[in-house]
Amino acid sequence: DVKVTQSSRYLVKRTGEKVFLECVQDMDHENMFWYRQDPGLGLRLIYFSYDVKMKEKGDIPEGYSVSREKKERFSLILESASTNQTSMYLCASTRFGGTSETQYFGPGTRLLVL
Amino acid sequence: AQSVAQPEDQVNVAEGNPLTVKCTYSVSGNPYLFWYVQYPNRGLQFLLKYITGDNLVKGSYGFEAEFNKSQTSFHLKKPSALVSDSALYFCAVRDMGGGADGLTFGKGTHLIIQP
Repeated sequence: DVKVTQSSRYLVKRTGEKVFLECVQDMDHENMFWYRQDPGLGLRLIYFSYDVKMKEKGDIPEGYSVSREKKERFSLILESASTNQTSMYLCASTRFGGTSETQYFGPGTRLLVL
Repeated sequence: AQSVAQPEDQVNVAEGNPLTVKCTYSVSGNPYLFWYVQYPNRGLQFLLKYITGDNLVKGSYGFEAEFNKSQTSFHLKKPSALVSDSALYFCAVRDMGGGADGLTFGKGTHLIIQP
């Protein structure tokens, strides 16, 4: 079974703090993704990566950056957290096999920025 | 650009009755379509997907979905609902001609199965 893990289930941070969200997958997947989930808005893509050290902006990259130094690990960074970044963050991964591949999701990190 | 619409925020069904959760999509080319389910405080679990071939796709937990190209729809169905089916359901689409980028999700539909 594919396993995608996220470093924290719940986080509470203060405005202006630098925040790191970590995601690890154990299936040697090439592609990894970060989404945020907000009520009534569904999931929105923040960033994705299709290879080590490669990254692409998604639909809402402002205020975020990412790092992929190893194939299995994809980090989301909030350089200076703000209250409007309070949300559920979901990581996903998939094989490099074209657009039909299923994305597998981690359990999510619920971030509260005070 | 691709988009997904889930027209109902909430669907209420009595246990044992058939259920339908609606989804319509828009893509410039041909679609790949997905359904995911989310239980409270959990990540998304894959239910089923349409790639090509038979328009009726069967998935996990007794769910199925029917791809209708003329109506650009991909409704999720189950013949007999269980209370344990209560959850948040997401439809998602990707254009077949697209790259390695992410899925486009609908806003989600809360499915409530009443005992």
